[in-house]
Formats: sequence, structure tokens, C-alpha cells
Amino acid sequence: SQQGEEDPQALSIQEGENATMNCSYKTSINNLQWYRQNSGRGLVHLILIRSNEREKHSGRLRVTLDTSKKSSSLLITASRAADTASYFCTSGTYKYIFGTGTRLKVLA
Amino acid sequence: DVKVTQSSRYLVKRTGEKVFLECVQDMDHENMFWYRQDPGLGLRLIYFSYDVKMKEKGDIPEGYSVSREKKERFSLILESASTNQTSMYLCASTLGQTGRQYFGAGTRLSVL
Repeated sequence: SQQGEEDPQALSIQEGENATMNCSYKTSINNLQWYRQNSGRGLVHLILIRSNEREKHSGRLRVTLDTSKKSSSLLITASRAADTASYFCTSGTYKYIFGTGTRLKVLA
Repeated sequence: DVKVTQSSRYLVKRTGEKVFLECVQDMDHENMFWYRQDPGLGLRLIYFSYDVKMKEKGDIPEGYSVSREKKERFSLILESASTNQTSMYLCASTLGQTGRQYFGAGTRLSVL
């Protein structure tokens, strides 16, 4: 199993600002994935970055991966109130392990 | 669109009851998962299944069992519910070993 640990635990920003959250993991990976969870709901897949990729974009999302440091970052540009959610990273083969997430609050 | 459906959004049960949580996916995925989510503890894997009638324990299987008789359905069973099993339960499925997971909306279970 693989561990994803997100940092910071909580983040509060103004609408229009960028939000950056980080993820660290412990062992080698095939890919790393980011998910979003709105309050009290299931997780929604945001983006998957493979171990041989260094950066990936999807709309306002930018993910980087540094396998030498076993870390990844998720950048949300021009944040909106609707981005308020918890964000999780994970990787694994069969046994996906999630951390406690980063709780992002975007203030209007 | 792909769909993972959990049978109940909210469930209230009494201590000692046998509880069934059902999950159905319509994507022909081989792999299905059950997690529980508690404040400050994140998502913890209870059981997963990589094929019909196949199952493997996750990190916290104690007090739970699972059943996968058909590919599309994965059931979580609490043999004798206890108050410490009050939690949010999330079901997910994936196609391959390392693919993206599709989650259900979750079942918030309260055991009184």
C-alpha cells in the first residue's frame, strides 16, 4: 500500500487567489492521483500524473510530481468559492491509501 | 456517465444489529473497495475485492465482512454493529490495478 500525506491540513484564501497544497508519499509509485471531496459527499477524481511525468494541467489545476523527493503539489489557480472542499492525494496498487486531506476554504 | 451507487445515504441502527451496506457499479470494474472516513483519521480501507468471490483485508477489517457474488455488487456487512462503527462509509471501484477510483456518495451510519 502507499501513503499520501497532505499539507497543510487547512488553507483559507480569498476568491481569485491561487491555492497550493502538497503531498508526500513513502515508496515508489506508478502514478499519483488527486481527489476532491465536498462536505459529506464521496470523492471525485481530479487528475492522475504518472511516475514518468513531471507536470500535468487540467483546466485551472496544475499538478507537479518530484519522484526524487517523493512529493507532489496541486495548484488551483484563480480559486472560486465552489473550490471549497477537502483535497486528497493517493497512489497505490489495489490498496489505495488516503491521508487526512487538505481542507480548502475559499472566501467570497 | 459512470456510476457507483450506495443503497442508503443515511442509516440508523441499534447496537448488536446486523447491518448490510450495498454498493453497485455499472462500469464492469474488477476492483471494488470499502472505506470508512472519520474526522482526523482520513479514509481507511476496510476491505477490497479484485474479482467476484475474491476479497482482501484492508487496514481495519475487524468487525466487518464483505460479499461479492456478482461483479457489479460489493456488500459490506457489520455482523454485530457497535457504537464505534458510527462513521461515513464510502464505496469505490476501479478498472485496473492503478486506475482512477470512482466513489459512491457515501453512507452515513449511526449506531445507537
